[in-house]
Amino acid sequence: DTAVSQTPKYLVTQMGNDKSIKCEQNLGHDTMYWYKQDSKKFLKIMFSYNNKELIINETVPNRFSPKSPDKAHLNLHINSLELGDSAVYFCASTRIRSSYEQYFGPGTRLTVT
Amino acid sequence: AQTVTQSQPEMSVQEAETVTLSCTYDTSESDYYLFWYKQPPSRQMILVIRQEAYKQQNATENRFSVNFQKAAKSFSLKISDSQLGDAAMYFCAYGGGSQGNLIFGKGTKLSVKP
Repeated sequence: DTAVSQTPKYLVTQMGNDKSIKCEQNLGHDTMYWYKQDSKKFLKIMFSYNNKELIINETVPNRFSPKSPDKAHLNLHINSLELGDSAVYFCASTRIRSSYEQYFGPGTRLTVT
Repeated sequence: AQTVTQSQPEMSVQEAETVTLSCTYDTSESDYYLFWYKQPPSRQMILVIRQEAYKQQNATENRFSVNFQKAAKSFSLKISDSQLGDAAMYFCAYGGGSQGNLIFGKGTKLSVKP
C-alpha cells in the first residue's frame, strides 16, 4: 500500500504546454506539500495545503497553481512550461504540522524540451 | 530566516567503517525539529532519523545516530558499520515555525567503497 503516490513518475513535454501532476495520500494526513528539487539536488518548498486551505505559497511563478479537491489530494498544474521548470517535484504529507515529520511521494521527474 | 548548511558536498567511506556527515543550522526559535533524509538513486526521500530540539538526548536508529549540539546549532549524522546500501544523498532538514514545511540543506553525496 503506497502511502503517498504521485502520477506520473516521469513527464516529458515541450515548452509552452500545460501539464498537471497528481498527488494522493492514504495516511489520513491533514497537511500536504509540494517541493521542487532542481538539477543541483536542492529541495525547496513551493506550496502547502492544510485541510484544503493554502497556507504556504513561496515565491513561485503564477504559472504554477496547486489544487486540493479534498484533503487526500493535492495536484500541481503548470501552465506555459519553460525549460527552467525541468526538475523533480515531490509531494509530501504530514499528520500534524507541528511535528514536521513528512512522508514523501516518489517524485515526478519533469523534463521540458 | 532559518538556514541549513551542509559543508561537505561529497564524502566517502570504506564498507564497515564509520562516517560522520556535518550539518549546521541557523534559527532564532527555541522549539524545532531536525531531520536527516536519505535519497538513494531511486530518488525516494527516506527519513533516517529525527531529533526534537527540547530533548537533550541524541537520537539513535540502529546504525544511525546524531550528535545534536543545540548551543552550537550543529546536527551531525554518524553512520556506523557502513553498508553498500548506505550510498546515497543525505539531506539535513530543519522544521520549525507555524507553517510546517521543512528547510533543507544542499545535501552530501555519500559513497561507500567495498
